[in-house]
Amino acid sequence: EVQLVESGGGLVQPGGSLRLSCAASGFTFSTFWMHWVRQVPGRGLVWVSRINGDGSITTYADSVKGRFSISRDNAKNTLYLQMNSLRAEDTAVYYCARALRVVTLDYWGQGALVTVSS
Amino acid sequence: DIQMTQSPSSLSASVGDRVTITCRASQTISIYLNWYQQKPGKAPKFLIYTASSLHSGVPSRFSGSGSGTNFTLTISSLQPEDFATYYCQQSYSTPWTFGQGTKVEIK
Repeated sequence: EVQLVESGGGLVQPGGSLRLSCAASGFTFSTFWMHWVRQVPGRGLVWVSRINGDGSITTYADSVKGRFSISRDNAKNTLYLQMNSLRAEDTAVYYCARALRVVTLDYWGQGALVTVSS
Repeated sequence: DIQMTQSPSSLSASVGDRVTITCRASQTISIYLNWYQQKPGKAPKFLIYTASSLHSGVPSRFSGSGSGTNFTLTISSLQPEDFATYYCQQSYSTPWTFGQGTKVEIK
């Protein structure tokens, strides 16, 4: 059974940093692109970033480029999102998701809430 | 960025009704259009990929169609468990973008 479990969310002050983790199981992690998507509670879904199977290709939304960094450790079956210079507008639930055949997101984690507030 | 616009933003329907949700892209996206269902407090659930391919395990009352810029999600006979918010999403080019969502409520 495919499982994605996020951790690392919490309350952080503006300008601070946080690292989210997404532990994957039930599939060959290293062969799948992985993504991060966020959602302000009560609002819509916003794509954040993606990374290919070996970690050599990464892409970011303009809103997080230069502040967020996606990475993965295939030996640990874990995806990461390092978030620096956090702003109030980064407050959201962050989901990790697996990409099926590169073009869609077939499995999602339960989400990790990140709150940026003083 | 490619903008995705869904209509309607919300609708009220009864069990057994046929429901159609429309998604329009600001430029052509071929068939790179996916649909997701989300219930309150839950992660999105993947329904349909490449416009019309049903994900394994998704009931056959769900169907998708379209290409280019205009797409539809149809629920042929609405069931109680289908009351949720539905999102379209394009994967033609990055940044991947989602529609604003369509909330399907009980009439």
